[in-house]
Amino acid sequence: DADVTQTPRNRITKTGKRIMLECSQTKGHDRMYWYRQDPGLGLRLIYYSFDVKDINKGEISDGYSVSRQAQAKFSLSLESAIPNQTALYFCATSDFTGEETQYFGPGTRLLVL
Amino acid sequence: RKEVEQDPGPFNVPEGATVAFNCTYSNSASQSFFWYRQDCRKEPKLLMSVYSSGNEDGRFTAQLNRASQYISLLIRDSKLSDSATYLCVVTLLDDYKLSFGAGTTVTVRA
Repeated sequence: DADVTQTPRNRITKTGKRIMLECSQTKGHDRMYWYRQDPGLGLRLIYYSFDVKDINKGEISDGYSVSRQAQAKFSLSLESAIPNQTALYFCATSDFTGEETQYFGPGTRLLVL
Repeated sequence: RKEVEQDPGPFNVPEGATVAFNCTYSNSASQSFFWYRQDCRKEPKLLMSVYSSGNEDGRFTAQLNRASQYISLLIRDSKLSDSATYLCVVTLLDDYKLSFGAGTTVTVRA
C-alpha cells in the first residue's frame, strides 16, 4: 500500500463550488505539505503543517484553506473554486532527520470549469 | 527572479550517451540541495542529495558550486528508463521548506 494517498485522484468542478482534497499518510511523519504544480512552473507551496497544532501559509495560500485533522491527515479546501486553480495538487510528508526529504502522494488533477 | 532556475530542455539523447545539466539558485544562504525525479503525470521522488564535495550514485553524479550558486546533475550511460523530468530543489537551513525548480526534461531514445 502507498505510504501517502490522495483522494480524489481526478476531479472536475465548476467555478464557485467548494471542493476538498484529502491526504492521508502511514509514514508516521509529523510534517505535511500541500503543493500545486502548473506547466512551466516549479511546485509551489500552498500550506504546510509541522504538527497537528501548527498550520502555516505557504507562498500561494490565497483562495485555499487547510485542516490537519490528525497526524496522518491533512486536507486542502478550495472554498470557491476558480479556473486558475486548475492544476495538479500534491500532498507531501517529511520527518526531519537533518536532511529534508519529502515523500509525495500520487497527486490530484483538478479542473475548474 | 526565481529562487531556483533550470533549463527546461528537453535534452534528447541516445541510449548510452552522457547528459548533464545545471540548476542555479538565487539565495546564497541556501543550505541543502537535492535532485528529484518526476515521471510524466506522477509524483516527484528523491533521486539524490547533493553534497558539497560532490557525490555519485551509480550512473548519476551531482556537484555543487557554492561560489557560482549552481548545482549540476550528470547521467552516464543513459538508459531509456532515465527519461523523466529532473527537479532541482533547494532549501534554507532555518525553515526546511523546499524551493523547486520547474524541471529539466530528459528524453533518452533507442
